[in-house]
Amino acid sequence: DAGVTQSPTHLIKTRGQHVTLRCSPISGHKSVSWYQQVLGQGPQFIFQYYEKEERGRGNFPDRFSARQFPNYSSELNVNALLLGDSALYLCASSFASQGTEAFFGQGTRLTVV
Amino acid sequence: SQQGEEDPQALSIQEGENATMNCSYKTSINNLQWYRQNSGRGLVHLILIRSNEREKHSGRLRVTLDTSKKSSSLLITASRAADTASYFCATGTLDSNYQLIWGAGTKLIIKP
Repeated sequence: DAGVTQSPTHLIKTRGQHVTLRCSPISGHKSVSWYQQVLGQGPQFIFQYYEKEERGRGNFPDRFSARQFPNYSSELNVNALLLGDSALYLCASSFASQGTEAFFGQGTRLTVV
Repeated sequence: SQQGEEDPQALSIQEGENATMNCSYKTSINNLQWYRQNSGRGLVHLILIRSNEREKHSGRLRVTLDTSKKSSSLLITASRAADTASYFCATGTLDSNYQLIWGAGTKLIIKP
């Protein structure tokens, strides 16, 4: 049974560019959340989508956006990349929108140069 | 901002010993979860404990929750080299239950 899959695994972008990260949740899971993890810190919540609707948004600028598709996969988009956007981006899927365990993908390591 | 704060920040013990990590948090919670992360990659879910529970076990793992002190502990018994990882607590809060709020983690090193 496939777990949460994220693509790509690594990415190098230049300042000012935009990036799209992709996530496929576990089959049957309707909730997808995105987190940013800077080296040496815990993950920071970016977005949660449940049944294709945004349920929560963390304290990130409008350059960050996301969406969830009818098959529950999700994309995270970041525009006008800054050096400080360099981080591990983690996608988590869960069955419900709240109160249940989250299953994480291996993440996308984004480096902005 | 981070809700949880793990203690200690780093822990190094001999294989076979027990490892205890603590987590304190600030606001009322619905649940608290512990995760493991190897080498800065994906997070692996260990245990979820709800606010009305006091203790949970899973294999060599024991988690306690004290909501009056806003704290939790994770005990790993009979540690193995494969337990070397960073351990994070994450809370689902009552006012924003759709998201998990994380601490900075405890880096655990098991020496063979």
